Amino acid sequence: GQNIDQPTEMTATEGAIVQINCTYQTSGFNGLFWYQQHAGEAPTFLSYNVLDGLEEKGRFSSFLSRSKGYSYLLLKELQMKDSASYLCAVSDSNYQLIWGAGTKLIIKP
Amino acid sequence: DGGITQSPKYLFRKEGQNVTLSCEQNLNHDAMYWYRQDPGQGLRLIYYSQIVNDFQKGDIAEGYSVSREKKESFPLTVTSAQKNPTAFYLCASSATLNTEAFFGQGTRLTVV
Repeated sequence: GQNIDQPTEMTATEGAIVQINCTYQTSGFNGLFWYQQHAGEAPTFLSYNVLDGLEEKGRFSSFLSRSKGYSYLLLKELQMKDSASYLCAVSDSNYQLIWGAGTKLIIKP
Repeated sequence: DGGITQSPKYLFRKEGQNVTLSCEQNLNHDAMYWYRQDPGQGLRLIYYSQIVNDFQKGDIAEGYSVSREKKESFPLTVTSAQKNPTAFYLCASSATLNTEAFFGQGTRLTVV
C-alpha cells in the first residue's frame, strides 16, 4: 500500500531551527510537496521537490532523497506565526497526491 | 484578486438530508479537487476533475457526487448515503494535475 509518515507533533523554541521529517512508500514518484496549514484554515503551498537535494526559500528549506524515500522541511529563525501543521504529500505514478497526516508544530517563546 | 472560494464556512444539516458545498475559482485552472480532512488523518481525495464535463472518483467517493459544468465551478453534494458526513471539506484547484494546488478556506459540515 501507499504510506506517508510524519511525526504527529513537535515543539520548538522561538528563534531556533526545527526539522520535520517525512518518509514515504508510494507506487511511483512524481514529486513531493510541503504545505503549511494553520488551525481551521486552508493549506498553503511551501515547496516542491522532484530531484534529490535541497531547495531553499527564505527561512524554509526542503530536502529530498528519492533512494531513501525521505524528505525533510527545515524551518530557521522560528517565529510564533510558524505554529501550524505541516503537511507532506507525494505525487504518485498517476499524479495523485498521497497525503501524510501532518505534523503539528508548537512554537514556545 | 484571483483565488478559490468555498461557501459556506460552517454548515449544519439534519441526518438524511442532502447538502451541496460550493467551490468557485477564477484562477483559470483546469484541475479541481475535493478533499475531506478528519482529525489525525491526511487529506483524503473524494473526487477530482481534470477538465470541464469530466470527473473521476477518488479514494472515498461513496456517498458523494459532483458536477463540472463550468471550468470555474466544482460543487460537491454530500448525500444521505454518506455514513459519516461530519468533517472539514476542502476544495482545491491547480493548473494541471502535478502542480501547486490552491485551497479554498474549507467548509466545516456538521450533521446532527
